[in-house]
Amino acid sequence: RKEVEQDPGPFNVPEGATVAFNCTYSNSASQSFFWYRQDCRKEPKLLMSVYSSGNEDGRFTAQLNRASQYISLLIRDSKLSDSATYLCVVNRQGGKLIFGQGTELSVKP
Amino acid sequence: GAGVSQSPSNKVTEKGKDVELRCDPISGHTALYWYRQRLGQGLEFLIYFQGNSAPDKSGLPSDRFSAERTGESVSTLTIQRTQQEDSAVYLCASSPRTGEQYFGPGTRLTVT
Repeated sequence: RKEVEQDPGPFNVPEGATVAFNCTYSNSASQSFFWYRQDCRKEPKLLMSVYSSGNEDGRFTAQLNRASQYISLLIRDSKLSDSATYLCVVNRQGGKLIFGQGTELSVKP
Repeated sequence: GAGVSQSPSNKVTEKGKDVELRCDPISGHTALYWYRQRLGQGLEFLIYFQGNSAPDKSGLPSDRFSAERTGESVSTLTIQRTQQEDSAVYLCASSPRTGEQYFGPGTRLTVT
């Protein structure tokens, strides 16, 4: 079992839709959590950190449930430019990050 | 400001040859990471440096792979006796703090 697991996707949604991605992690000692975005044939970029109380950045909302070891990302009013692969990322201890395999999102006109 | 740079951007090599990949991190970032990404796959952690030392080398696939970092700056990843399964994009990232990683554009390695 992978340490970080995500919905496999792809998610194909129309512009303006709300879409949610889920992620689970297996190591209860995990300490911090992030969402990264990777465009096709590009490098990953940090989208947002995920805080225990949940946090929002514009159209993006991230939630963390430590008891269930579950992380989510909600995108509201999706845009064509949101099309990318979204990577769930977990930090156990120290500097090493564990990346999920990613969920591909395609937003269509 | 300048981001993470990697060179070469593309490298085609024959099976059995050695290759050296370079990463120039963002100035002042103490942590540096190497990942491998095969086509259509996720990121595979290889090694990370804190300063010039490597606390975690657990991801290096075999003893053909080695990396070093000098001056808390430039890092090189060396692959000896390349095999076709080494073909991938090799990504470097530097980090000012846990979780916040800035990636370079990668080196696309093709072993023929």
